[in-house]
Amino acid sequence: QSALTQPASVSGSPGQSITISCTGTSSDVGLFNFVSWYQQHPGKAPKLMINDVTHRPSGISDRFSGSKSGNTASLTISGLQPEDEADYYCSSYTSTSTLVFGGGTRLTVL
Amino acid sequence: EVQLVESGGGLVQPGGSLRLSCAASGFTVSGSYMTWVRQAPGKGLDWVSVIYTGGATYYADSVRGRFTISRDNSKNTLYLQMNSLRLGDTALYYCARGFVGSTTAFEYWGQGTPVTVSS
Repeated sequence: QSALTQPASVSGSPGQSITISCTGTSSDVGLFNFVSWYQQHPGKAPKLMINDVTHRPSGISDRFSGSKSGNTASLTISGLQPEDEADYYCSSYTSTSTLVFGGGTRLTVL
Repeated sequence: EVQLVESGGGLVQPGGSLRLSCAASGFTVSGSYMTWVRQAPGKGLDWVSVIYTGGATYYADSVRGRFTISRDNSKNTLYLQMNSLRLGDTALYYCARGFVGSTTAFEYWGQGTPVTVSS
């Protein structure tokens, strides 16, 4: 159960788009369409932003989108806003019926 | 309104035990899949365990054999029994409810209960 690999940090200016990658293996990200993305502001609980690779739960802005290619999933945030500054985590279901998170990515809105 | 309130955290010595509780309201724990996720101070999210509606349970390698997830439908409460605690188990422990329409995503989260393992 090795953690999924995410970049430690990404940054962008308001209005720009950024993409956060999440790399796993053929036993997790590459095997199932069960990748989720969570946003976490300091001192707060995580918030589900994307489930099942591409699905946006009700109430989540369409500026957030998810995709997957092979063993790598991605979260794209378009039209960056100051309130998007947060930590982002991916998670995936695995071949052993467990779940695994990525190490997290700190998004800075310049 | 869906609410999750964790309790039971605290300071415990290595080798000790704690039982965390997650009181649910606005839905039934028996009708939802539920999980425990922890976050060590200044670190990322770390998945711990999940229980599905049918009762199946799964654990991270790091806690399997030491932790047990369970639920009490009459109390509408999720539990995490933690035995043989280690220094590395120190973290804020969150419970979360599964997202309807998926089987691996978690939509509602509590605010967490802190566990400190220290001598």
